[in-house]
Amino acid sequence: DAGVIQSPRHEVTEMGQEVTLRCKPISGHNSLFWYRQTMMRGLELLIYFNNNVPIDDSGMPEDRFSAKMPNASFSTLKIQPSEPRDSAVYFCASSTRDFQETQYFGPGTRLLVL
Amino acid sequence: GENVEQHPSTLSVQEGDSAVIKCTYSDSASNYFPWYKQELGKRPQLIIDIRSNVGEKKDQRIAVTLNKTAKHFSLHITETQPEDSAVYFCAASTNNAGNMLTFGGGTRLMVKP
Repeated sequence: DAGVIQSPRHEVTEMGQEVTLRCKPISGHNSLFWYRQTMMRGLELLIYFNNNVPIDDSGMPEDRFSAKMPNASFSTLKIQPSEPRDSAVYFCASSTRDFQETQYFGPGTRLLVL
Repeated sequence: GENVEQHPSTLSVQEGDSAVIKCTYSDSASNYFPWYKQELGKRPQLIIDIRSNVGEKKDQRIAVTLNKTAKHFSLHITETQPEDSAVYFCAASTNNAGNMLTFGGGTRLMVKP
């Protein structure tokens, strides 16, 4: 299995631009998580999907952030418009739907907003 | 909601020494406690986990202990090696949270050769 796949791995953009991050979870995994990691705030859960349905989006910082999961093998996290404070590493993780199982993280997308 | 605090934020040990990282949690309903290791520039990866029906779990040089009464759990690494240098995150989860985890702030462990 290829593991969780994220693209792009690096993204540099200018303030005000739209940014779209992509994630392909491990085949057969029903839960998908988007995290943001910064030095100041650590590892923060942004949103959690179960069977393609958003279960908890209380971590989404503001309306500029949106996430979708149109099918079991693809999810996107969009920031529009982007701001310098959005600069961070964004991780996608997936797990089986089984209760309290291991989360497998993708390699992350390093985002820099100038 | 759940709150997980982790200490220390940085830890430096000599190779061969032991390292201990401690976490406290706020929700007494939490019953699953995984530990993740993140090497520099890499993704977090699960190294060990413990559920509330046991007090201790070991895997080679790594062990985790859980004190439900005090609501804290600890990671113990014995005979540390340079490759143990990384950031370690504890996390907690409750039945009601499904697969959601609340992470601690992380501990940067440095093992000096």
